[in-house]
Amino acid sequence: DADVTQTPRNRITKTGKRIMLECSQTKGHDRMYWYRQDPGLGLRLIYYSFDVKDINKGEISDGYSVSRQAQAKFSLSLESAIPNQTALYFCATSDYRVGELFFGEGSRLTVL
Amino acid sequence: AQSVTQLDSQVPVFEEAPVELRCNYSSSVSVYLFWYVQYPNQGLQLLLKYLSGSTLVKGINGFEAEFNKSQTSFHLRKPSVHISDTAEYFCAVSPYNNNDMRFGAGTRLTVKP
Repeated sequence: DADVTQTPRNRITKTGKRIMLECSQTKGHDRMYWYRQDPGLGLRLIYYSFDVKDINKGEISDGYSVSRQAQAKFSLSLESAIPNQTALYFCATSDYRVGELFFGEGSRLTVL
Repeated sequence: AQSVTQLDSQVPVFEEAPVELRCNYSSSVSVYLFWYVQYPNQGLQLLLKYLSGSTLVKGINGFEAEFNKSQTSFHLRKPSVHISDTAEYFCAVSPYNNNDMRFGAGTRLTVKP
């Protein structure tokens, strides 16, 4: 089983719908992140959390919200999806001592 | 905030040829530097990282990178590529507290037979 698991892996939805992407990890890391990947733009940070009571906005948080339900779970919500939120979304974790990120396999979201 | 520029969006090379993927960064604070690889339909995985010490860093699959502080660069190299190295490569920079890792736009490496 993957250390960082994202669900769903693929989702097609319509404009205005509420969408939740979920992430769970078995690495025991305190830090969790949500990134968005768009062609030609690389990955951009949406939100990050250093522990259950800590939530921080990243580079592009508008239109998104997050919830850290437990150390191992970090979900991303789109309250009212719009077409320019069509992208590949990645969850990642890190250990503050190591510096590197460990990524899930991604959730591809299409908003029609 | 820090930023990363990957100078080539696409790099086509023939199998067994050497390759260099270029990365420049800017930051007002000390940073860690990373290269990640993304194979089709997969997440990113770490190739190598520079935290401190020797400026020449060796990673997995025969890749290496050299940190050049004066030129603010962290170029990735491999002396002889394989078909299996075809993937997208991302350079990333993170402040020491790792709260905001920034990625470059990516370089798509295509290795041709």
